[in-house]
Amino acid sequence: EAGVAQSPRYKIIEKRQSVAFWCNPISGHATLYWYQQILGQGPKLLIQFQNNGVVDDSQLPKDRFSAERLKGVDSTLKIQPAKLEDSAVYLCASSFQGINSYEQYFGPGTRLTVT
Amino acid sequence: GDSVTQMEGPVTLSEEAFLTINCTYTATGYPSLFWYVQYPGEGLQLLLKATKADDKGSNKGFEATYRKETTSFHLEKGSVQVSDSAVYFCALSRNTGNQFYFGTGTSLTVIP
Repeated sequence: EAGVAQSPRYKIIEKRQSVAFWCNPISGHATLYWYQQILGQGPKLLIQFQNNGVVDDSQLPKDRFSAERLKGVDSTLKIQPAKLEDSAVYLCASSFQGINSYEQYFGPGTRLTVT
Repeated sequence: GDSVTQMEGPVTLSEEAFLTINCTYTATGYPSLFWYVQYPGEGLQLLLKATKADDKGSNKGFEATYRKETTSFHLEKGSVQVSDSAVYFCALSRNTGNQFYFGTGTSLTVIP
């Protein structure tokens, strides 16, 4: 089966600009996650969707970050305006709602550099 | 709150050496425990998991045993290969489909 798709793979922007990342989860996976992974650290959950509803967005900086999952399939994460400290890899993951729903499948990530 | 602590790296080993990467956790209840691996330029991949105390997860020669008494889930491999060079993340999840808590990762380099 096809894995989690993300685009773009790399993005370089200047601070105060805006940027958007796209994720297409594995077909049939109801749960979708966005993580931020700063260099040298473990992934930090930004937002979790169950179908098209938000389950957890407690660590999402809502003054600049937004995310949506229209129709419960693919998702977009946006940053506006970007800050230098937003430089990180943004990972999308999905999981199946069922007995093994704790298994998350990760995409390759989008590496964002803010200059 | 829930958290995972894993040994700091980087770790450098010669091929065929024995590997241990320590991981301890703090959680209420009975979490599920995982090891993920991240190869250079790639996303995280599930390496192995254990969902209850005394379970042993294993995959590709790696093993980890869920020790509730010591709240640990140490990763071991008897003979590492150059292809095992990657960053390894310990993680926990309290409930199915719930939030994951990742450790900071341990970088492993295996030299021929």
